[in-house]
Amino acid sequence: AQSVTQLDSHVSVSEGTPVLLRCNYSSSYSPSLFWYVQHPNKGLQLLLKYTSAATLVKGINGFEAEFKKSETSFHLTKPSAHMSDAAEYFCAAGGGFKTIFGAGTRLFVKA
Amino acid sequence: ETGVTQSPTHLIKTRGQQVTLRCSSQSGHNTVSWYQQALGQGPQFIFQYYREEENGRGNFPPRFSGLQFPNYSSELNVNALELDDSALYLCASSFGLAGSQETQYFGPGTRLLVL
Repeated sequence: AQSVTQLDSHVSVSEGTPVLLRCNYSSSYSPSLFWYVQHPNKGLQLLLKYTSAATLVKGINGFEAEFKKSETSFHLTKPSAHMSDAAEYFCAAGGGFKTIFGAGTRLFVKA
Repeated sequence: ETGVTQSPTHLIKTRGQQVTLRCSSQSGHNTVSWYQQALGQGPQFIFQYYREEENGRGNFPPRFSGLQFPNYSSELNVNALELDDSALYLCASSFGLAGSQETQYFGPGTRLLVL
């Protein structure tokens, strides 16, 4: 069985400072891993996807994530936060018939 | 290329009623999945359809049912609505073989409120 754990329910950063959103996964095989962003009253937008081609994955809007098998982690980072990054972020693991989502991390960006 | 669209955007129903939500897949996609997202939670997988057949199901009762049409549009039907069915319902489309885990593209969702 798969599971996804997002270690922080809320993260607050100042504009221009780095962002780190943490995600651990559990799976009996190597799943695809995803990060999605959800702005208020909107659907989910794909930020990036890991499929074993490279451990460091670059996504849209300056985000990237690093797959660490030994730590079963897939943390999302961005060097410099922008006000427009304020949203809910979901880590997800996919394999077979369904995608398992974490509970989400709400990112607050202070001016 | 059009994205995934869903209708209606909002819906209010009362307990015991039935509801149908609709989804139009992204052009060229043959697989559609439905998710329920309760307030403050991540999306929960309901079921997936591939080429008009149910391809996998999450932990949801049979009163949640679906259809996928030849043009790959889809419906989610919920019978005997309960208060806990209040949620954002998300549709996601993808292209791939049955059981594969290709990238999914999400629609904006339908927010259902059950009173």
